Amino acid sequence: KAGVTQTPRYLIKTRGQQVTLSCSPISGHRSVSWYQQTPGQGLQFLFEYFSETQRNKGNFPGRFSGRQFSNSRSEMNVSTLELGDSALYLCASSLAAGGNYGYTFGSGTRLTVV
Amino acid sequence: AQKITQTQPGMFVQEKEAVTLDCTYDTSDQSYGLFWYKQPSSGEMIFLIYQGSYDEQNATEGRYSLNFQKARKSANLVISASQLGDSAMYFCAMRAPLAGGTSYGKLTFGQGTILTVHP
Repeated sequence: KAGVTQTPRYLIKTRGQQVTLSCSPISGHRSVSWYQQTPGQGLQFLFEYFSETQRNKGNFPGRFSGRQFSNSRSEMNVSTLELGDSALYLCASSLAAGGNYGYTFGSGTRLTVV
Repeated sequence: AQKITQTQPGMFVQEKEAVTLDCTYDTSDQSYGLFWYKQPSSGEMIFLIYQGSYDEQNATEGRYSLNFQKARKSANLVISASQLGDSAMYFCAMRAPLAGGTSYGKLTFGQGTILTVHP
């Protein structure tokens, strides 16, 4: 059974550019959430999607956006990149919207903004 | 708002010994879930163990057990018979209902504990 796949694994971008990260959840999983991990702030929740609808959003500026497609794959986009956006971006998928289901994480995309 | 506190930035343990990683949490919700994840240097978050707030028994998964003390709001991870491959960052996390209590959509993480296993 394939796990959560995030692409690309590594990315280097210049300040001011925009970037799109992709996440393919485990087959059958309909919930996808995104997290940003930095040494200073730790792991912070970005947003979560279920059945193509954003259900929850963290405290990030509007430059951070996401979407989910009908096949549950999700993308997140960061526009006008800043140096502080350099981080490991982790995607997690879950089987259901509610209940006590765990999240399975991908290996992450390491974004470096120069 | 939910908060997770891991007070041990780093822990050292001898191979084959047991180790306890501390986690305390704060929430006003009655229904919540507590998780432990392991993050090796590769970056992937690996699920270890889960405890629901209404579970009466402590969760166990192989060498991992969760010492759940609800009144004290603590959920410590116990790793028995440590192995060299256990060296990693360990995160405690909590999931609580969204407003309205209809769904669970967010994990709140602690700052993590770096565990080093010595041979």
